[in-house]
Amino acid sequence: ETGVTQSPTHLIKTRGQQVTLRCSSQSGHNTVSWYQQALGQGPQFIFQYYREEENGRGNFPPRFSGLQFPNYSSELNVNALELDDSALYLCASSPLAGEGNEQFFGPGTRLTVL
Amino acid sequence: AQSVTQLDSQVPVFEEAPVELRCNYSSSVSVYLFWYVQYPNQGLQLLLKYLSGSTLVESINGFEAEFNKSQTSFHLRKPSVHISDTAEYFCAVSDLGSGGGADGLTFGKGTHLIIQP
Repeated sequence: ETGVTQSPTHLIKTRGQQVTLRCSSQSGHNTVSWYQQALGQGPQFIFQYYREEENGRGNFPPRFSGLQFPNYSSELNVNALELDDSALYLCASSPLAGEGNEQFFGPGTRLTVL
Repeated sequence: AQSVTQLDSQVPVFEEAPVELRCNYSSSVSVYLFWYVQYPNQGLQLLLKYLSGSTLVESINGFEAEFNKSQTSFHLRKPSVHISDTAEYFCAVSDLGSGGGADGLTFGKGTHLIIQP
């Protein structure tokens, strides 16, 4: 059984650029959530995708957007990058949306914005 | 809105000593509770969870946590720690019926457990 995978592992961008991060969910999981973890902080919920639609969103501006594909993989897009966007971005998948299901996390993508 | 407070940012303990990592939460509704562990340069791994039933939950590697509704706490304990337990530990909460769903998990800031030989 393949776990959650994310690509790339590291990324360096400059302020104002756009970035796309990718996530493949664990086999059998149809729900994907994205989190931002700043240095020294706990992860913060960005949004969740279920059945290819955004199912919920945290307190992040619209320049953070996402997609989910028919194979349940997902992308996180961030436009107009700011220095504060530098963080570890974590993807998590679960078998079903809601109902207390455990979320399985990937290793993350470390984004540095210069 | 929910919030999670992890009272200690860093906890140093000697190997084979007991440890308690404290977690308090605030929520207007019933919640699910989780502890995740993060080793250096890795993602989060679920350590244990409380969904319902017995308030004492255990993990396979010797950790346990007790849900205390009156004190809104979910402290993590281990009777004897090992060097390999050195990691960052995160307490998280989600609304009952959400389970990390539409509202996601709300995490604390983490506690760095440092095991000294």
